[in-house]
Amino acid sequence: AQSVSQHNHHVILSEAASLELGCNYSYGGTVNLFWYVQYPGQHLQLLLKYFSGDPLVKGIKGFEAEFIKSKFSFNLRKPSVQWSDTAEYFCAIRGGSQGNLIFGKGTKLSVKP
Amino acid sequence: NAGVTQTPKFRILKIGQSMTLQCAQDMNHNYMYWYRQDPGMGLKLIYYSVGAGITDKGEVPNGYNVSRSTTEDFPLRLELAAPSQTSVYFCASSYLGVETQYFGPGTRLLVL
Repeated sequence: AQSVSQHNHHVILSEAASLELGCNYSYGGTVNLFWYVQYPGQHLQLLLKYFSGDPLVKGIKGFEAEFIKSKFSFNLRKPSVQWSDTAEYFCAIRGGSQGNLIFGKGTKLSVKP
Repeated sequence: NAGVTQTPKFRILKIGQSMTLQCAQDMNHNYMYWYRQDPGMGLKLIYYSVGAGITDKGEVPNGYNVSRSTTEDFPLRLELAAPSQTSVYFCASSYLGVETQYFGPGTRLLVL
């Protein structure tokens, strides 16, 4: 069965600190990988995605993620966070043909000004 | 282009009542999805549809029903509301199953 693990439930950082959020998945076949962000009171927005090709993908707002197939990981990074990055971040995979996304439980990021 | 819209934004139901959560998209997407989001649990798929007239169960379908009579609309029906259905419900759509999903603003439901 497919599953996604996000090991950090809540991360607290000061502005300008670097960010790395972990995401590991379980799936035996070809997988598409996503990071979504949910700002307080808003709906999910796509940050970035990986389907194939260069395993280092760049998304919006300075975020990037690296797909490491051997580690079944797709960690999200940002060199310098801002207060406006305070949100909940969800890693998701898609391994089936129907497009169903399997989400991790999410990581809340709080950035102190 | 409004994207994915959902109504209502918030609703309080009594146990045993029924209601329909509305979802519409104007992007001519074939695939539509209903998720529920519970605190600390991420999103779980309730039902999905690959086109008008075709629906299928997701991970947590019990207590819900769906229909897809048009490409644009994908309503979610709760027949007998239970406290366990207190959640935030998100509708999403994508052109094909392998494309990016776009999410609506959500419906917050409280069952008392």
